[in-house]
Amino acid sequence: KAGVTQTPRYLIKTRGQQVTLSCSPISGHRSVSWYQQTPGQGLQFLFEYFSETQRNKGNFPGRFSGRQFSNSRSEMNVSTLELGDSALYLCASSSGGTGEKLFFGSGTQLSVL
Amino acid sequence: AQSVTQPDIHITVSEGASLELRCNYSYGATPYLFWYVQSPGQGLQLLLKYFSGDTLVQGIKGFEAEFKRSQSSFNLRKPSVHWSDAAEYFCAVGRSNTGNQFYFGTGTSLTVIP
Repeated sequence: KAGVTQTPRYLIKTRGQQVTLSCSPISGHRSVSWYQQTPGQGLQFLFEYFSETQRNKGNFPGRFSGRQFSNSRSEMNVSTLELGDSALYLCASSSGGTGEKLFFGSGTQLSVL
Repeated sequence: AQSVTQPDIHITVSEGASLELRCNYSYGATPYLFWYVQSPGQGLQLLLKYFSGDTLVQGIKGFEAEFKRSQSSFNLRKPSVHWSDAAEYFCAVGRSNTGNQFYFGTGTSLTVIP
């Protein structure tokens, strides 16, 4: 069974631009979560989608948004990029229950110049 | 609010020695508790999970963790460390009514000396 796939692996953007990251969950998984990982803040929860609906949202500004498609694939978008948005963005999938084991992708490394 | 503390930023052990990584959490009820491991350039892999039942949980790669409610702790242990265990270890906590929204500790980096 294929794992969680995140594309692209690396991204370089400049301040003010926007970016879209993609995540394909494990087949059959209906929940997709996004986390931001930085050396200073560690892993921080962005949001979780389940059956195309946002189920949970972390404490991030509205510039961070996401969506989930009917095939459970998910995208997250960051608009008006800031230098502080440079981070590893991790996507994780699970079957959809509560408190479940998360399967993580390798992440998208975003650098904002 | 929930919080997770991993007091040890970095630990160095010799190969074959025992290991204990500490994790303390702040939460009113019994939370979901997890330990994940991250190798450089990779995502996280689950080592083990606890929610209820036996307070000593067995995981993959020979790891185990013990839930101590009185101490709000969920420490990870391994009796004999292998060089391949060198990685970053994260403790995480979740609530029963928030789906899969988890709070992660800041991580403990493990170095293994041959």
